[in-house]
Amino acid sequence: DTAVSQTPKYLVTQMGNDKSIKCEQNLGHDTMYWYKQDSKKFLKIMFSYNNKELIINETVPNRFSPKSPDKAHLNLHINSLELGDSAVYFCASSQDVSGKSYGYTFGSGTRLTVV
Amino acid sequence: AQSVAQPEDQVNVAEGNPLTVKCTYSVSGNPYLFWYVQYPNRGLQFLLKYITGDNLVKGSYGFEAEFNKSQTSFHLKKPSALVSDSALYFCAVRDIGGGGNKLTFGTGTQLKVEL
Repeated sequence: DTAVSQTPKYLVTQMGNDKSIKCEQNLGHDTMYWYKQDSKKFLKIMFSYNNKELIINETVPNRFSPKSPDKAHLNLHINSLELGDSAVYFCASSQDVSGKSYGYTFGSGTRLTVV
Repeated sequence: AQSVAQPEDQVNVAEGNPLTVKCTYSVSGNPYLFWYVQYPNRGLQFLLKYITGDNLVKGSYGFEAEFNKSQTSFHLKKPSALVSDSALYFCAVRDIGGGGNKLTFGTGTQLKVEL
């Protein structure tokens, strides 16, 4: 199936640990994103990569480090996890054609719970 | 900065009645506008978009939205609501000034359709 897939779907971990979330898209899109959805369902962009190049880096603690080994993958590594990092993290991808945006395709999310 | 506002946290509608979910935006140039829907424990699904052209845009599942430049609005509508339409709806605007294809999302509106 063509899609944006994230792993794991659920992640429960203790404070202070380091964890990674993986994302892969097989849609041939050039741009990938990480969004964070908090407990109030508010969606905020964290990072964006275009063809492996970081193009958007919002005000995110430097404990969060994205890595894009190729344009089909965008992983998120989080160091020294804190309680406030508990949220749902969504990966997305998009493709611009002739300057027109066709919107994002989202993964199903990773629910991170820090205890 | 580009922004989008969804003034209603929740909208309640009886099945079979028309529904409207409101969205207003603020951009410096021309807006690219989107609606997404999120079902419980799922990722966001694309509903429809406005880039240019006709002000009335038709999308998935019988939804449509009307772009109104003078009122800077992009309200989501459906002539006859279904119980299965109950979900969280997000309006989003593309920020073309920030580089990349960044979407800024509203805070979401919970739609509840009752029998």
